[in-house]
Formats: sequence, C-alpha cells, structure tokens
Amino acid sequence: KNEVEQSPQNLTAQEGEFITINCSYSVGISALHWLQQHPGGGIVSLFMLSSGKKKHGRLIATINIQEKHSSLHITASHPRDSAVYICAVISNFGNEKLTFGTGTRLTIIP
Amino acid sequence: KAGVTQTPRYLIKTRGQQVTLSCSPISGHRSVSWYQQTPGQGLQFLFEYFSETQRNKGNFPGRFSGRQFSNSRSEMNVSTLELGDSALYLCASSDANYGYTFGSGTRLTVV
Repeated sequence: KNEVEQSPQNLTAQEGEFITINCSYSVGISALHWLQQHPGGGIVSLFMLSSGKKKHGRLIATINIQEKHSSLHITASHPRDSAVYICAVISNFGNEKLTFGTGTRLTIIP
Repeated sequence: KAGVTQTPRYLIKTRGQQVTLSCSPISGHRSVSWYQQTPGQGLQFLFEYFSETQRNKGNFPGRFSGRQFSNSRSEMNVSTLELGDSALYLCASSDANYGYTFGSGTRLTVV
C-alpha cells in the first residue's frame, strides 16, 4: 500500500463545476503539499499545509491531521485548470523527503 | 526573483553512457532536491542536498549520484545509463517558509 493515496485517478468535469480531489496518507507528517503539473512537465507548488485550510483564488486546500486526509477544491472550474494534481507529504520522522501520490488527472470541458 | 533553472531541457543518450544534469536554485535557498518521474513509477525522490551535504537519499542504485556546490547549484550524475533511466528529472529548491519551487525538468531519453 502506498503511503500517499489520491482519488480519483481521473476526473472529467464541465466548466464551472466544483471540483474535489482527495488525498489520504498513512504516516505522521510535518507538512503536506499540493502540486500542479501541466503537460510538458513543469510542476507548480499550489499549497503547503500543516493544519487547517488555505485559499488562493479559486483554489482551497484543507487538511485534517487526525484523519490523515487532505482535500483540494477548485471552485468555478475552467479549462485552464486541466492538469495533473499531485499530493505530496513530508513525514515527521526527521527524514525530510517528499513522498508523492500518484496524481489526479483533471480535465475541464468547455 | 529568478526561478529554479535546470539544464539541459532535453537530452538523448545511448545505453552505457553517463549524463550530468544541472540545477540552479532560487537565490538564498540552500536546499536542493532531485526527483525522477516516469509513467510507470510516478514521482520518486532521488536525493536532497543542504549546504553541500547530502541530507537524504532515496532508493536508487549507486549509479545515481549528486553534489552541491558552495553557491548551492547542484548537479546529478547517472552513470552506465540504462533504457529504464529514461525519465523527466526534476529538481526543486526549498525554503522552510515557502516550501518547494520546482524547475521545468530535464527530459532524458536513453536509446
């Protein structure tokens, strides 16, 4: 079993829909990251979370440390949001390396 | 502030050759980490350097190595290339307050 699980693997939605991507992890963490990767490979860090909730524009990320779960929400989705979204965690064992989920491929249809 | 710069962007090498990839971090960032991304395995951590010292290492064979210079620039080297080393190699520089900033990657094809 992977330390970081994401769901769904693939998601197709109509423009304007509210999107939720989920991430569950099995280890104690010091931080969780949400990353966005567009075709071509470049990765952008969207959020770094250790507790609570963060918002940036139409993107909202939440984390529940007790339940070992995080969600990324996109409001009023747009075709330019089409990308792969990756959850990554840093464990709190003192070994500060990122462990990645397998990603969620999001496609927004106009 | 300039981003993370990786060179080259694309590379084609032959099996058995070696390759060196370069990463220039954001000014002021002392931590540089490297990752391999393949369709089959996804993103995997290779190693991390902090102030010229390797701080963490992933589960990759010894053919994969790296180093960091006093100006925080980092290089990774892969010797005796295998077909399975074909991948996108990403580096990231990090800061405790702002997390990770990734470069655009080097796409390595081994033929």
